[in-house]
Amino acid sequence: EAQVTQNPRYLITVTGKKLTVTCSQNMNHEYMSWYRQDPGLGLRQIYYSMNVEVTDKGDVPEGYKVSRKEKRNFPLILESPSPNQTSLYFCASRIGQGTYEQYFGPGTRLTVT
Amino acid sequence: QKEVEQNSGPLSVPEGAIASLNCTYSDRGSQSFFWYRQYSGKSPELIMFIYSNGDKEDGRFTAQLNKASQYVSLLIRDSQPSDSATYLCAGYGGATNKLIFGTGTLLAVQP
Repeated sequence: EAQVTQNPRYLITVTGKKLTVTCSQNMNHEYMSWYRQDPGLGLRQIYYSMNVEVTDKGDVPEGYKVSRKEKRNFPLILESPSPNQTSLYFCASRIGQGTYEQYFGPGTRLTVT
Repeated sequence: QKEVEQNSGPLSVPEGAIASLNCTYSDRGSQSFFWYRQYSGKSPELIMFIYSNGDKEDGRFTAQLNKASQYVSLLIRDSQPSDSATYLCAGYGGATNKLIFGTGTLLAVQP
C-alpha cells in the first residue's frame, strides 16, 4: 500500500530533551516536507527536501532540523524542544517537479512541557 | 493579507443538500489548486485538484476555478453526515513556488 508513515504518533516530552520524529514514504517520491498545524494558523511548512541531500527552510524553520540521506526517509529533529513547539506535525510527500499532488502522513501530536 | 483565504465557518447544511466551499487567493501567478478534507485529529486527504479555468467533476465533488477572479470553490452534492470535516484549500505556484494552505472551512452536515 502506498503510504507515508510517521513515528511516533503521540509524544509527550520535557523542555530541552532532544527528539526525532521519523517519516518514511514508499512511493519513490522526490519531494518531502514537514508541516506543523496549529489552531487558527493552519498548516505551515517547516522544512522541505527536493531530493536526497537537498533540503531547504520553509516558513517556520526555527528550532527544527532535518536530513535527507535516503530518498524514502525525512526525519524531523528537535534539538532542544520548547513548549511553543507543542503542535500537530505532518510529513508529506509528492512525486517531484511538475506534479503538485501531495500526500500526508498520519500526523504526530507532540506536547512539550 | 493571507495568500489563500477561506471562511472558517462552520458551514452547516442539511443532509442531501449542496455544500459550497469557497476560497480566494492573492497571488495571480498561482497555477494549481487543491482541496483537502481533514477529519478532526486526522491528516489532510487530497480529494480534488484543478489546474485550468472552469469546472472539474469527480463523483459528488465539483471543483471550480476562476483565475480572473482569483477564486476557487468546491461543491459537494448530496451532502452526507460523513462529509462533515474541515476542508482545506491550497494553491501552488506564483511568487513563492510553494503549496500555500488556507486555514480551512469546517463543514457540518446535519442529518
